[in-house]
Amino acid sequence: DQQVKQNSPSLSVQEGRISILNCDYTNSMFDYFLWYKKYPAEGPTFLISISSIKDKNEDGRFTVFLNKSAKHLSLHIVPSQPGDSAVYFCAATSGSNYQLIWGAGTKLIIKP
Amino acid sequence: DGGITQSPKYLFRKEGQNVTLSCEQNLNHDAMYWYRQDPGQGLRLIYYSHIVNDFQKGDIAEGYSVSREKKESFPLTVTSAQKNPTAFYLCASSTGQQETQYFGPGTRLLVL
Repeated sequence: DQQVKQNSPSLSVQEGRISILNCDYTNSMFDYFLWYKKYPAEGPTFLISISSIKDKNEDGRFTVFLNKSAKHLSLHIVPSQPGDSAVYFCAATSGSNYQLIWGAGTKLIIKP
Repeated sequence: DGGITQSPKYLFRKEGQNVTLSCEQNLNHDAMYWYRQDPGQGLRLIYYSHIVNDFQKGDIAEGYSVSREKKESFPLTVTSAQKNPTAFYLCASSTGQQETQYFGPGTRLLVL
């Protein structure tokens, strides 16, 4: 049972345009969400997070939106740059929990 | 420079052999984690430790063992009982529960 789903295995976006990566979850107990970026053969690097008490968090070119009623979050990257080409993972956790539950990832390709 | 180191980058295992993957952190983090990544999948938690001398099984602990004798070290042993060990192994650490996890560069394990 996949509790965190990233339904798009890949996404191709023109350089300079907006990239929108989506993530859905099923567990209503999740209250903290994170986005990580991963290059091949490297460990993931943390990008941005959001607590369930918020519906938006922004950090530079990256904005995460959370829609609790729809159990959906999205990562917006504006403007997209070639270095943004990577696999993006969404992860979630709940309460006093050490475990992160991960989506399968979306491969973002930025076209010049 | 603070960070997480994993060694070796590549590791080969013969049938019936146990191998140990190293993970060291100098971030003074209390919690450490081991994940496995297979192609096209998200990260799956093998073991985690929130404090020295204590660790908990994750979702796929069978065939693996860990120890946490020092705060900065969390080695993972892939035993001969793990029938499909070929994967990319990632170690992470965090200050505590529901905190951002920071990752090492990973170790790719291949079975000969």
